[in-house]
Amino acid sequence: EPEVTQTPSHQVTQMGQEVILRCVPISNHLYFYWYRQILGQKVEFLVSFYNNEISEKSEIFDDQFSVERPDGSNFTLKIRSTKLEDSAMYFCASSRTSGRVSDTQYFGPGTRLTVL
Amino acid sequence: KNEVEQSPQNLTAQEGEFITINCSYSVGISALHWLQQHPGGGIVSLFMLSSGKKKHGRLIATINIQEKHSSLHITASHPRDSAVYICAVPTGNQFYFGTGTSLTVIP
Repeated sequence: EPEVTQTPSHQVTQMGQEVILRCVPISNHLYFYWYRQILGQKVEFLVSFYNNEISEKSEIFDDQFSVERPDGSNFTLKIRSTKLEDSAMYFCASSRTSGRVSDTQYFGPGTRLTVL
Repeated sequence: KNEVEQSPQNLTAQEGEFITINCSYSVGISALHWLQQHPGGGIVSLFMLSSGKKKHGRLIATINIQEKHSSLHITASHPRDSAVYICAVPTGNQFYFGTGTSLTVIP
């Protein structure tokens, strides 16, 4: 069964460094999402992406975050200058159609980001 | 202000018991998601529903759009059902998630 994959599974970085989290969505899916979950807290929506542009983003997704789909298969989340509070599990998800309408989202296993 | 409220926060059940988890929301929605987060952290989508009821195996999800309330039921619960169950609603430019219900099923 097709699945969403994410790399790396765990990333440790120093405060102020840039990190890129990578996701490979399911191949025939059109909508892509990033979520984060700070340890012990609820899942939070970051951004959704469709047709090579951001379709929705939350207030968390500020100028230090960016997303792109560089090669038609990978979907990346870049954090430009990491802060301690960026430490969290980051989940990528994809769906065939918009999650607001009628489709299931498939989640990747997550990347645990630790900022020291 | 929490747009999505779940209850209970924690639930312990004996194997075989019927389980109900509730979700109330304050925003206007067209659909609601129930997710399962395993102890290792992985998230699986269980249901996406916009009206009525859906059933998958021992899991049943219902929604009442007028009352802004959804329930997730597990029949004949099993220890492998132990997980965090999360209600999530997409609306406007946001997805709002509940804090989750941590379910432990004891053999």
